[in-house]
Amino acid sequence: AQSVAQPEDQVNVAEGNPLTVKCTYSVSGNPYLFWYVQYPNRGLQFLLKYITGDNLVKGSYGFEAEFNKSQTSFHLKKPSALVSDSALYFCAVSSDNDYKLSFGAGTTVTVRA
Amino acid sequence: AAGVIQSPRHLIKEKRETATLKCYPIPRHDTVYWYQQGPGQDPQFLISFYEKMQSDKGSIPDRFSAQQFSDYHSELNMSSLELGDSALYFCASSSRMGHFGWSNEKLFFGSGTQLSVL
Repeated sequence: AQSVAQPEDQVNVAEGNPLTVKCTYSVSGNPYLFWYVQYPNRGLQFLLKYITGDNLVKGSYGFEAEFNKSQTSFHLKKPSALVSDSALYFCAVSSDNDYKLSFGAGTTVTVRA
Repeated sequence: AAGVIQSPRHLIKEKRETATLKCYPIPRHDTVYWYQQGPGQDPQFLISFYEKMQSDKGSIPDRFSAQQFSDYHSELNMSSLELGDSALYFCASSSRMGHFGWSNEKLFFGSGTQLSVL
């Protein structure tokens, strides 16, 4: 079975400060990792994914994530947060053994002006 | 660019009624997934279709059924609705002809159908 943990229900940062949203995973086989963002009353939007290659993945809206195999983590980062980044962020995992996406519980990010 | 379209956007039903949710995938996408997201919950996988055949089944109640049609759109049929079925139902589509293969396809999500059962 595969699973994802997002240990923080909420993350609050000031605009202009670095933003980090944590994610750890558990899979059998090679992991495929994804970040999605959900704005109020909207569907999930894809931010970035790690399949293979460089551990640092760059995605949409200035977000990036670092795959750390030894720590089984895939934390989402943005060097300078914007108020418009306030949303619900989901980490998800699939693998070469199970292609279904399993989602974390989500982290609500609030960026204050 | 065309996105995944779901209809209706909002649906209000009473207990024991039936509901049909529709999903129109991105053109040339051959795979459709249905997810259920309860209030404050993470999305839960319900069922998926590849080339009009059911490819996987998750936590979908027996009261629900779904199919994918020849034009690749999909419908989720829900009967004997219960209060606990109130949720946001997402459809997602993808193409298994991606460069890296089917197991790491990127999903494109619709905006969802908000179902309220009263």
